[in-house]
Formats: sequence, structure tokens, C-alpha cells
Amino acid sequence: DAKTTQPNSMESNEEEPVHLPCNHSTISGTDYIHWYRQLPSQGPEYVIHGLTSNVNNRMASLAIAEDRKSSTLILHRATLRDAAVYYCIPAPNTGANSKLTFGKGITLSVRP
Amino acid sequence: DTEVTQTPKHLVMGMTNKKSLKCEQHMGHRAMYWYKQKAKKPPELMFVYSYEKLSINESVPSRFSPECPNSSLLNLHLHALQPEDSALYLCASSRLGGGAHNEQFFGPGTRLTVL
Repeated sequence: DAKTTQPNSMESNEEEPVHLPCNHSTISGTDYIHWYRQLPSQGPEYVIHGLTSNVNNRMASLAIAEDRKSSTLILHRATLRDAAVYYCIPAPNTGANSKLTFGKGITLSVRP
Repeated sequence: DTEVTQTPKHLVMGMTNKKSLKCEQHMGHRAMYWYKQKAKKPPELMFVYSYEKLSINESVPSRFSPECPNSSLLNLHLHALQPEDSALYLCASSRLGGGAHNEQFFGPGTRLTVL
């Protein structure tokens, strides 16, 4: 499994953009970069994933470095509800034995 | 319905008790997972079931016994647990194969305390 490095925590102001970084320098060529988040007292939830190109969905954007050794999750306008632990997880996209190996994650706090 | 339900929400048991955790999904997913999450730590994979067959066991002690009686249901049977097994137990499910992204859907977890 590829090792990931994320800052322990970040703070943001409400309604401002947030950039959450992740280093995954040992990622394999076929692994996708998945982001999940875990709100307090809840199970993790999927945020976004990508392989090489930048990706957008209703929750966030994912910017992937050209060498794929790092990526950045972008929340365009943070809300109080976005306060959570964010995990970046390199993993295969599919397969009968797909598994997610969670790293320590980054704890995002959002100030009103 | 994109929900994974887990029961009970909380469970307190003694070291000699036998109890079971239950997980259910009705999304037609054929992969189901058990994770263990200690306080302030990330979730750790325990077991994966694919098409109701155990496909991954991450060297979990035998006092944890998973069971997948049908494609919608996943159980975790607990026996002779230790206090250090106290944790949040998370269940998840996903589609399998088909070339599409297999997002995992997580339940809210069962918070287990072993006395």
C-alpha cells in the first residue's frame, strides 16, 4: 500500500476556500487517489477520486500533480459542516478485493 | 436507499459474554467490509466479503468471527473479547467489478465497550 503524508490539522474560515494537501510519493501507476472524510460521530463518506486529471464534483475538486506524487483536495467554500477528518487514500479503483487503507488524515476545523 | 445500517449503536459487554454486531444494506452491493476504529485513530480494515464469501482477513484474532448469511446482511460475532477491543466498529459496502468506481458506503458504527 502506498504511504501518505498529510498535515495533522488545518483551520479555515467559513465561506473561504480550503486546500488540503496529501503526499503519496510511492503511489503505483494503477492506483487512483481517493478522498474520504469522517464527520464527528459518523462513519467515513466518499468525497472524490481521480487518476491523473483534475476532477470536480458537487462536494469538492481534486487537483493531482503531474507526477502523481501529491494531490490537493479543494473545498471551494468551507462550511461549518465541512469540519471533519479528511483522508487521502491511494487504492485500486475496483476489483474483488479492493480495500481502503486509511492514513492518519488531516483534521479540518472551520471557524464561523 | 444509500444507507448502511448498523445495530446496536452502543454495546457494553463483559469478557466472558458472546454478542453480535449486525450490518445491513439494500443497495445490491456484493462487497461488505468490517473496520475497527480506536479513538483518535483511522479506521483499520478487518474483513472483506465478496459475493458472500470471505475474501480478506487482515489477521484478525479468532475471537472476532464474521458471517455473511446473505447479500444484504453482515454479522460480526464477538466472544471472549479483551478490554483493548473496545472501539468503534464500522461496516461498509460497495459494488464489485464492472469497471466503475466502487465507492464504499459506511454505516454509523457500533461503539463497543468491553469491561
